[in-house]
Amino acid sequence: QKEVEQNSGPLSVPEGAIASLNCTYSDRGSQSFFWYRQYSGKSPELIMFIYSNGDKEDGRFTAQLNKASQYVSLLIRDSQPSDSATYLCAVPFPDDKIIFGKGTRLHILP
Amino acid sequence: DAEITQSPRHKITETGRQVTLACHQTWNHNNMFWYRQDLGHGLRLIHYSYGVHDTNKGEVSDGYSVSRSNTEDLPLTLESAASSQTSVYFCASSGGRDDEAFFGQGTRLTVV
Repeated sequence: QKEVEQNSGPLSVPEGAIASLNCTYSDRGSQSFFWYRQYSGKSPELIMFIYSNGDKEDGRFTAQLNKASQYVSLLIRDSQPSDSATYLCAVPFPDDKIIFGKGTRLHILP
Repeated sequence: DAEITQSPRHKITETGRQVTLACHQTWNHNNMFWYRQDLGHGLRLIHYSYGVHDTNKGEVSDGYSVSRSNTEDLPLTLESAASSQTSVYFCASSGGRDDEAFFGQGTRLTVV
């Protein structure tokens, strides 16, 4: 069974603080990992992807990957109210299926 | 600009009726996917296709079918709609396993 696990939240973070979102996946053969953001009533949109172990930074967002632990995380620095959304972890498995986690609802508190 | 579009955006149908949701992409992507999204379940994969005449079952394929006669379109058919199929349906496409998936706007289907 191909699985992608996330805490559903809600995760409440004060404005200006760091939000930390986590994801684990079941297949060691997975090579790429994606974070999507979904606002209520809207489609998911890509915010970060990562292929290699370690950290990848893009503006206020940092993706972290640990393949040995089958763990990927997303850090959002200087959280803003506009970051309030559901964050979906997506993992393409070796057969090209893209499996999504259930998503973590993030609330940024003004 | 390339895009992926779904139609209709909203649909109300009766139990037992056949319903088809359209998905059309102009990215020229080989991979296309259908997901349903329900509260507490996230995005669940219904069917997917790697190219023309290729279709595969996902996690929740019972009661659904797809066909791929060209690169651009992957229609999703509910053979006999059931109330349990009330959901928001998303179509997505990608160029390959390690590429970003692009999503349509979604179709909200209500089965009464």
